[in-house]
Amino acid sequence: GNSVTQMEGPVTLSEEAFLTINCTYTATGYPSLFWYVQYPGEGLQLLLKATKADDKGSNKGFEATYRKETTSFHLEKGSVQVSDSAVYFCALRKGNQGGKLIFGQGTELSVKP
Amino acid sequence: EAGVAQSPRYKIIEKRQSVAFWCNPISGHATLYWYQQILGQGPKLLIQFQNNGVVDDSQLPKDRFSAERLKGVDSTLKIQPAKLEDSAVYLCASSLEEQAYYGYTFGSGTRLTVV
Repeated sequence: GNSVTQMEGPVTLSEEAFLTINCTYTATGYPSLFWYVQYPGEGLQLLLKATKADDKGSNKGFEATYRKETTSFHLEKGSVQVSDSAVYFCALRKGNQGGKLIFGQGTELSVKP
Repeated sequence: EAGVAQSPRYKIIEKRQSVAFWCNPISGHATLYWYQQILGQGPKLLIQFQNNGVVDDSQLPKDRFSAERLKGVDSTLKIQPAKLEDSAVYLCASSLEEQAYYGYTFGSGTRLTVV
């Protein structure tokens, strides 16, 4: 079946460090891929998305590239801030499954000043 | 545009009691979802509506959970009777279309604690 696997957290970084959160997926066909962010006490917010192979999604300094050959969608940011501390979820969505989002388990990021 | 509204934000009940959650999606969003997020895990789909019809309820524990979406707008999710393992955040989300390239908009969730 379709699934998403993320690197385990928590990830602890110093401010201005480089961030990578790994995400790989298993799916037939061509799913759309998403990163959602959940700040403490809040709901999930869409961070970025990519809908086809080699697409790059970007937002707020975060980037992720849809790599079909490696079935990956790793999240990166060049210089993290304390305000980026949150839980990050990778997800996929396929239209022929009624559009439901399938989430990874989440990766907690903690950025220290 | 207004976001997805959910209430209540928090609820504490004893096991075997019943509880209901309410969701008002973004105006015009035909697709509505209820997700369960257990602490430390990713959200899991419970039920998906397209207008007021059920598209997917394969993961809904139908012996205790029920959901409805009257008139294709607001939705309620009910648990009766609750078990300890139902403690989780219940997220409602809506989407403009079923198409895969659209993301969802999530509400802030209802945190349920069953004691």
